[in-house]
Amino acid sequence: EAGVTQSPTHLIKTRGQQATLRCSPISGHTSVYWYQQALGLGLQFLLWYDEGEERNRGNFPPRFSGRQFPNYSSELNVNALELEDSALYLCASSPRGDASSYEQYFGPGTRLTVT
Amino acid sequence: SQQGEEDPQALSIQEGENATMNCSYKTSINNLQWYRQNSGRGLVHLILIRSNEREKHSGRLRVTLDTSKKSSSLLITASRAADTASYFCAVEYGNKLVFGAGTILRVKS
Repeated sequence: EAGVTQSPTHLIKTRGQQATLRCSPISGHTSVYWYQQALGLGLQFLLWYDEGEERNRGNFPPRFSGRQFPNYSSELNVNALELEDSALYLCASSPRGDASSYEQYFGPGTRLTVT
Repeated sequence: SQQGEEDPQALSIQEGENATMNCSYKTSINNLQWYRQNSGRGLVHLILIRSNEREKHSGRLRVTLDTSKKSSSLLITASRAADTASYFCAVEYGNKLVFGAGTILRVKS
């Protein structure tokens, strides 16, 4: 069974640009979660999608947005990039909604560097 | 502040020794999860323990949960160099999974 995949592995952008990160969940999983992990810090919850709908979002500005497609893959968009957006962005999936009842399966992450 | 907080922040032990990490949280929970992260990579789920369970085992891992103290511990027995990683506890808060800052475990061979 294929795991959660993320692309690209690395992304380098300049301040003010937009970044698009992609995630494909495990087959059969309908929930996708996005987290930001800045260097030396824990995971900060960004967004949760289930069945194509945004179910919850973390304490991040509106320039962090995303969507979930009918095949349950997901995209995270970060507009007007700032230097402090440099981080490892992790995507996870789980069988369905209810954030805590199921283990989350994580992808390898996209390392975003903003210069 | 974080819903789940681990201690110690860092732990260094010799191969073969046991490693214990603790997690404290603030509100009542349905369950608590432990994850491992190898350097700069995705997280791997280790154990989910439900609020009505007191102890759970998985191989060399033993997790305990004390809901009266709002705390959990992860014990890794007979540690190996490959156990070197960051370990996070996670609890649900506000309909999302909130991770602690993690314990960095280094196992020296």
